[in-house]
Amino acid sequence: NAGVTQTPKFRILKIGQSMTLQCAQDMNHNYMYWYRQDPGMGLKLIYYSVGAGITDKGEVPNGYNVSRSTTEDFPLRLELAAPSQTSVYFCASSQQGAGHEAFFGQGTRLTVV
Amino acid sequence: GNSVTQMEGPVTLSEEAFLTINCTYTATGYPSLFWYVQYPGEGLQLLLKATKADDKGSNKGFEATYRKETTSFHLEKGSVQVSDSAVYFCALVKGNNAGNMLTFGGGTRLMVKP
Repeated sequence: NAGVTQTPKFRILKIGQSMTLQCAQDMNHNYMYWYRQDPGMGLKLIYYSVGAGITDKGEVPNGYNVSRSTTEDFPLRLELAAPSQTSVYFCASSQQGAGHEAFFGQGTRLTVV
Repeated sequence: GNSVTQMEGPVTLSEEAFLTINCTYTATGYPSLFWYVQYPGEGLQLLLKATKADDKGSNKGFEATYRKETTSFHLEKGSVQVSDSAVYFCALVKGNNAGNMLTFGGGTRLMVKP
């Protein structure tokens, strides 16, 4: 079972460049999430979605955008990369709300130089 | 706001040793509490959870009890194995809506030596 798949696994960006982090799940989950994890810190919620066509901001949304055109896919867009966005990014999904088990992808390690 | 504090790692133990990873939280009301584990090169996965005071979550030999009076959810295992080497995250959530975000602690790395 694939579960939650993130691509790429690693990426180096120059300041001001743009990129899209891809996330796909094959469990037919309605809820999807993007988190970032900084060294020694817990995960912080960037954006979330409760279904196709519906997205909302989390705790740290500045500098990011998302879309949810299908149930399966939830890409995260960085428009103008900044060094502060150097982090590990995790996509997750769950069948119901945040009180239920979340399934995570393997993460994308992004470095902005 | 909500917050979770975990003991800093790394925690290094010998195989078959007893494990405790401390976790305390700050939240109003009665949050649900979780332990997630991240094995090397993988995403986080749910280890156990408890949804109300005095509940005990357990899985794979790990246990944690929801202590409202001390606002704690310490993770324990009686005899660790090398395969338990991973990063462990304590987390809480209030409510069941997607917008009620999981609040994570900083993670504790466990290293078990043969």
